[in-house]
Amino acid sequence: DTAVSQTPKYLVTQMGNDKSIKCEQNLGHDTMYWYKQDSKKFLKIMFSYNNKELIINETVPNRFSPKSPDKAHLNLHINSLELGDSAVYFCASSQAPQGSYNEQFFGPGTRLTVL
Amino acid sequence: GDSVTQMEGPVTLSEEAFLTINCTYTATGYPSLFWYVQYPGEGLQLLLKATKADDKGSNKGFEATYRKETTSFHLEKGSVQVSDSAVYFCALTNNNAGNMLTFGGGTRLMVKP
Repeated sequence: DTAVSQTPKYLVTQMGNDKSIKCEQNLGHDTMYWYKQDSKKFLKIMFSYNNKELIINETVPNRFSPKSPDKAHLNLHINSLELGDSAVYFCASSQAPQGSYNEQFFGPGTRLTVL
Repeated sequence: GDSVTQMEGPVTLSEEAFLTINCTYTATGYPSLFWYVQYPGEGLQLLLKATKADDKGSNKGFEATYRKETTSFHLEKGSVQVSDSAVYFCALTNNNAGNMLTFGGGTRLMVKP
């Protein structure tokens, strides 16, 4: 059973389009995350979200928005795609932090290519 | 803000060689420190962690010691295998809201038979 899954695995699209990446976790976790990994393998947090709180990394453009239909899903919607959005996007989940770190479990990633 | 710096790769070693990947950090307070591993085509997996000064994290033959005096968390393994070939990420969290990780730039390890 896949703990954290993402779809699609690969996404190729044109500049200016709007696209979504889906993430689902079956671990019963309360908190989910999105990370962006650029071509140099550098990983950066984009969002942290649970049913109470959305925390946004201030460097993330407002073209990016997380959408959570329920506790097991956190989808990433991107408007007006730009060339610089090309990257691998990782979803992760954990138990809600309670004063100390809870291990994050990562999905396999979605490689987005904007042409 | 918090930051993590790790040695640039790639690091190329022969099987059974000794591995060190350096990692230093800048953070306020008392962060928790981690090493994650990313095998080709896969997501990240937690390799080991240390939550306070002088703690030693260990797993699968890898070790790292939380050194507050040098703000370091270097990854070591005494004898690497071909199957250890992957990208290794040092990371920290400062117990801030959201449990968010700050990653270093990653170090690619290639082990040759």
